[in-house]
Formats: sequence, structure tokens, C-alpha cells
Amino acid sequence: QSALTQPPSASGTPGQRVTISCSGSRSNIGSNYVHWYKQLPGTAPKLLIYDNNQRPSGVPDRFSGSKSGTSASLAISGLRSEDEADYYCAAWDDSLSGVVFGGGTKLTVL
Amino acid sequence: QVQLQESGPGLVNPSGTLSLTCAVSGGSISTTDWWSWVRQPPGKGLEWVGEIYQSGRTNYNPSLKSRVTISVDKSKNQFSLNLSSVTAADTAVYYCARDGRLNSHYAMDVWGQGTTVTVSS
Repeated sequence: QSALTQPPSASGTPGQRVTISCSGSRSNIGSNYVHWYKQLPGTAPKLLIYDNNQRPSGVPDRFSGSKSGTSASLAISGLRSEDEADYYCAAWDDSLSGVVFGGGTKLTVL
Repeated sequence: QVQLQESGPGLVNPSGTLSLTCAVSGGSISTTDWWSWVRQPPGKGLEWVGEIYQSGRTNYNPSLKSRVTISVDKSKNQFSLNLSSVTAADTAVYYCARDGRLNSHYAMDVWGQGTTVTVSS
């Protein structure tokens, strides 16, 4: 059971906007920054969003992040087939003195 | 451009010790970054194992803390993971990652390709 809760699946059609939620607690999301990772099958995760809403160089502005209280969201606009992947949220947890991940959300582009 | 490469045995006996090394290239391990291990059991999500700073300071996942040791070798520009008393539940792809300092906070911005470790006799 993950410390951060994500829906196991999400889907959308090309061009649509989809959001993926990540719910935590005061000790993790409520007190620290949230990061998002994208993982294609058989490959290593890739940093997609850091510090709640910052995009690393090379990540399209179709991807955006937000945080409110003990929850965070990843939004993907203009959905494309290459967005089909697993997405994970993560944050530092002050109570555990460690990083916690969400269980992951499998995004399907219909 | 920093790159990470994991290495180590792909098969470990139950009750034995899993030992992996992550070689850092294209940059020094002696920076303000932390260096992490993350694992992913087959068909499951990511689990943070622990991290180390160049000084040797560590943070471990509480659920693994009694069995985990992460060390750093600055002369070889690498860091290592030892996980003792392994069981089949420790079978996973193990990734090493850099916890890069971005905007004064840390996120895993560089990842190794991962190495599969199976615990079986």
C-alpha cells in the first residue's frame, strides 16, 4: 500500500486533456514538493515535473502540475499516442525521512 | 551529461546478500546531489530503497532499513547497494538515480537503465 494514492488507470482520446490525481498527507505532500515521473514499458522512469509545477528542459508545456493542500495533480493537454505510459507522483515524507511514491497510473490513449 | 550504470549479479540465493554498484560518468559524485536506489518488482510500482550523500550520510526506507546498506566510493565515482537476507519479495528491477538539486530542492533527474535481480535458488 503506497503512501501516496493515485488512480490505477486513466484514459483519453487524442487531443483531449486528462488529469491524474495524487493524494497524500500532511507529512508528505502537505509539507513538501511533489514530483512526477513518466515510465514507458521496459524503460527507466523519467522526470516529468518537479517542485509541483516545474518542467525540466525538453518536457513539452502540454504537461503541467499543481498542488493544493495534501493533493497534487498532473494534467496532460493535447493528448498524444506517445503519452501512453505509467505516471508516478513522489514526495519526501517528513515522518518517514524518505521518499514515497504513488502506486502509479497507467494512461491509455484510446 | 551525467550518466548512471548499474551492475551486479542478476541472480541471488534466498537468504543471501544482493550487491549492486552504480557507476557515475560524465560528472563527479562529489557534488551537492544525493544518490538513490529505487526498485520495481515485476508488474508493480516504484519503491524507494534509500539514498546517500558524498559525505556518506544516508537515508533508508524504514521498511528495509534493517537490511540495507548504501555506501559511496568517491575514488571510483560510484555508489553501492547491499541488501541482506533477501527473499523472493526482493526480486525486482533495481534503478540507481541522481537526486539532483533543482531550485534548491531535490528530484530524481537522472536514472540508470536498471538491472534485474532475481532471488531464487
